[in-house]
Amino acid sequence: KNEVEQSPQNLTAQEGEFITINCSYSVGISALHWLQQHPGGGIVSLFMLSSGKKKHGRLIATINIQEKHSSLHITASHPRDSAVYICAVYMEYGNKLVFGAGTILRVKS
Amino acid sequence: NAGVTQTPKFQVLKTGQSMTLQCAQDMNHNSMYWYRQDPGMGLRLIYYSASEGTTDKGEVPNGYNVSRLNKREFSLRLESAAPSQTSVYFCASRVKSGRNLAFFGQGTRLTVV
Repeated sequence: KNEVEQSPQNLTAQEGEFITINCSYSVGISALHWLQQHPGGGIVSLFMLSSGKKKHGRLIATINIQEKHSSLHITASHPRDSAVYICAVYMEYGNKLVFGAGTILRVKS
Repeated sequence: NAGVTQTPKFQVLKTGQSMTLQCAQDMNHNSMYWYRQDPGMGLRLIYYSASEGTTDKGEVPNGYNVSRLNKREFSLRLESAAPSQTSVYFCASRVKSGRNLAFFGQGTRLTVV
């Protein structure tokens, strides 16, 4: 079983829809990282969370440490949001960053 | 401020050839990492370096070697490339362990034929 599980694996939405991507983890963490990867592109950091909620523009990330779960929400989705969204956790001990497999999001106009 | 710079961006190798992927960061970060990304899988750690002069194996180190040349540079070497090493490789760095953001290079797309 992977230490970091994301769902769904693939998601297709219509422009304007509210989108939720989920991340569950099974290890102790010091923080959780949401990243975005565009096709053929590099990896860009969106948020780093250790508790509560963060918002940046149309993106909202939440984390529940007790339930070992985080969600990334996109409000009023747009085709330019189409990308792979990756959840990664910083292990509580040690120096490692462990990644989920990613969620492929496609937003249709 | 370039952040994390990886070279080359693309490479095609024949089985058995060797090559070195270069990574440099200009953020004075202590920790540097090499990951590979394969379809349907998360990024997997190949090697990391917690500080200058130290390196440690990650999840998938076989077939690779690394050198932390100085604080800025962390290279990944394939001594005898195999088709199973066809992947996209990412270098990353961050200040130190804990709640510090990781920064990623643009990736190197390697094909071994």
